[in-house]
Amino acid sequence: QVTLKESGPVLVKPTETLTLTCTVSGFSLSNARMGVSWIRQPPGKALEWLAHIFSNDEKSYSTSLKSRLTISKDTSKSQVVLTMTNMDPVDTATYYCARMRYFDRTNDYWGQGTLVTVSS
Amino acid sequence: QSVLTQPPSASGTPGQRVTISCSGSSSNIGSNTVNWYQQLPGTAPKLLIYSNNQRPSGVPDRFSGSKSGTSASLAISGLQSEDEADYYCAAWDDSLNGPNVVFGGGTKLTVL
Repeated sequence: QVTLKESGPVLVKPTETLTLTCTVSGFSLSNARMGVSWIRQPPGKALEWLAHIFSNDEKSYSTSLKSRLTISKDTSKSQVVLTMTNMDPVDTATYYCARMRYFDRTNDYWGQGTLVTVSS
Repeated sequence: QSVLTQPPSASGTPGQRVTISCSGSSSNIGSNTVNWYQQLPGTAPKLLIYSNNQRPSGVPDRFSGSKSGTSASLAISGLQSEDEADYYCAAWDDSLNGPNVVFGGGTKLTVL
């Protein structure tokens, strides 16, 4: 059974750095056919892809947010970490991690999401 | 503003057939496959259609997808009240700035 669970702060202040962790089970981050994406959704708005990482450490970032994002993985802990620097109130959103299949770049399993609010 | 264009809303009565469109460009839909996600109120998105027209195990065959050129469509036949949700299309985008996954703006489906 594949599951993903996001964890991290619910509230961050403007200019701070956000660190989110995705803990996966039911598949291995060393699996060559799988990776993990981060996607966010501001309240009442559309989904926005942020980044992904595969087992071979191939990474890709949203063009518009690339300078602020870093994605990494700890295979032994089954965790993928996303950091986003210089947080702003417009970054308030539910942040999801989702498994990504390498062969067709499909996010087939999603975590429940974690709401992050940026406010002083 | 989303890279893929969807109508903001759609509606139908129980039993009807509804289609939702998704328009893109040569760098995304035109050269890559399209996925569709269903997001029920207050829940995480769920994969509904992948590779343009494939249904994951457990998705009813009332849901179908198609793609032509730089556009794609999701069709829901035999509409049911439980289909009331937001629907998003997504595709890989091979832009000059680097590969990205792009989503549509979402379509809110109302079952009247």
